[in-house]
Amino acid sequence: EDKVVQSPLSLVVHEGDTVTLNCSYEVTNFRSLLWYKQEKKAPTFLFMLTSSGIEKKSGRLSSILDKKELFSILNITATQTGDSAVYLCAVDRYSGAGSYQLTFGKGTKLSVIP
Amino acid sequence: DAGITQSPRHKVTETGTPVTLRCHQTENHRYMYWYRQDPGHGLRLIHYSYGVKDTDKGEVSDGYSVSRSKTEDFLLTLESATSSQTSVYFCAISESQLAGETQYFGPGTRLLVL
Repeated sequence: EDKVVQSPLSLVVHEGDTVTLNCSYEVTNFRSLLWYKQEKKAPTFLFMLTSSGIEKKSGRLSSILDKKELFSILNITATQTGDSAVYLCAVDRYSGAGSYQLTFGKGTKLSVIP
Repeated sequence: DAGITQSPRHKVTETGTPVTLRCHQTENHRYMYWYRQDPGHGLRLIHYSYGVKDTDKGEVSDGYSVSRSKTEDFLLTLESATSSQTSVYFCAISESQLAGETQYFGPGTRLLVL
């Protein structure tokens, strides 16, 4: 059975801290891994990773994929209260009949306190 | 933001009644998806559509049906709602399923089945 496991499930940090969120996966027919941010509404896209070892960066956020060890990390440096959200990891996989589907982890709830 | 709207945004209904949720997009994207999000489960795919009148089942399709008669509209129907279908329902769209393409999510519909 395909699965995506995120850790920790929740995390509380102070503003200015650096955090690392983890996502491990066991899926068949892997194509890519995606990170989304969800703030009490629609998930918004952050990164898509397809190749091992190539870091994607956007401001204070960065992410990397290890296809050998089957995991990804999302780093947030100099955290701000606006980073408080649930971070979702999803794996894009081939599901048969020419179709691809996303399998999501349960998410990591990040709370940044002033 | 991707042009995706969902209606209604909130609904309370009783067990055994039919319920239809609507997803409307203005992006002319080919693919549309319905997910449900529950505590402890993350986002799970219910059904998806790869074109007008073309639909397929996802991970948790039992008790749900869908229809797509126009490119811009994707309807999710609960024929006889049950309390286990209390959830937040998200619609998503993608232009294609080619590598590098991502899904964009609507604002969600919160459904309570009493």
